[in-house]
Amino acid sequence: DGGITQSPKYLFRKEGQNVTLSCEQNLNHDAMYWYRQDPGQGLRLIYYSQIVNDFQKGDIAEGYSVSREKKESFPLTVTSAQKNPTAFYLCASSTGFPDSAGYTFGSGTRLTVV
Amino acid sequence: AQSVTQLDSQVPVFEEAPVELRCNYSSSVSVYLFWYVQYPNQGLQLLLKYLSGSTLVKSINGFEAEFNKSQTSFHLRKPSVHISDTAEYFCAVIIMTTDSWGKLQFGAGTQVVVTP
Repeated sequence: DGGITQSPKYLFRKEGQNVTLSCEQNLNHDAMYWYRQDPGQGLRLIYYSQIVNDFQKGDIAEGYSVSREKKESFPLTVTSAQKNPTAFYLCASSTGFPDSAGYTFGSGTRLTVV
Repeated sequence: AQSVTQLDSQVPVFEEAPVELRCNYSSSVSVYLFWYVQYPNQGLQLLLKYLSGSTLVKSINGFEAEFNKSQTSFHLRKPSVHISDTAEYFCAVIIMTTDSWGKLQFGAGTQVVVTP
């Protein structure tokens, strides 16, 4: 079945470490997105990519980095510069702009700083 | 500027009672509207959407939403909820402007808690 796979489901990070969250899709979607979710704040866009080898900053990109070397993959690195990284991270994909079908979401990665 | 406003952060409701989740958006141009549902520790699932045509859209599990252009609203309703409807619900909009690239913008979410 087609879908989006995020791994790991839970991730613990020590302060000062970089960590990378994986997002893979087999839907043949061109566009991919990373959101951060905090209680009571909805979803905030971190980065998005409309095509391979291209990506743009979203609303809260500071302290994060991404790459889009393959259509299927859009990994997110949470760097030590992100001061409050504990959150639930969601990856999504869509067929393109604008996508009347909406987005397909992965099941998320919960990151905790210890 | 907030594009999507969900007026209630939490809605408690008894099983088999009706529920309405309010959503307003701020745009004078064409929009696509969506409702997503999120169960604990999971991703978001598309519940229903409005693109054009009939202003009343329905999901397979009894939810419906009505697009009201004059009031810029897209409220979600269910006439009789089940315990399994306990979840967080997100309203989202794609605003069709030349510089928005059609990205999906989310409201803050409404937590629905269904009790027996």
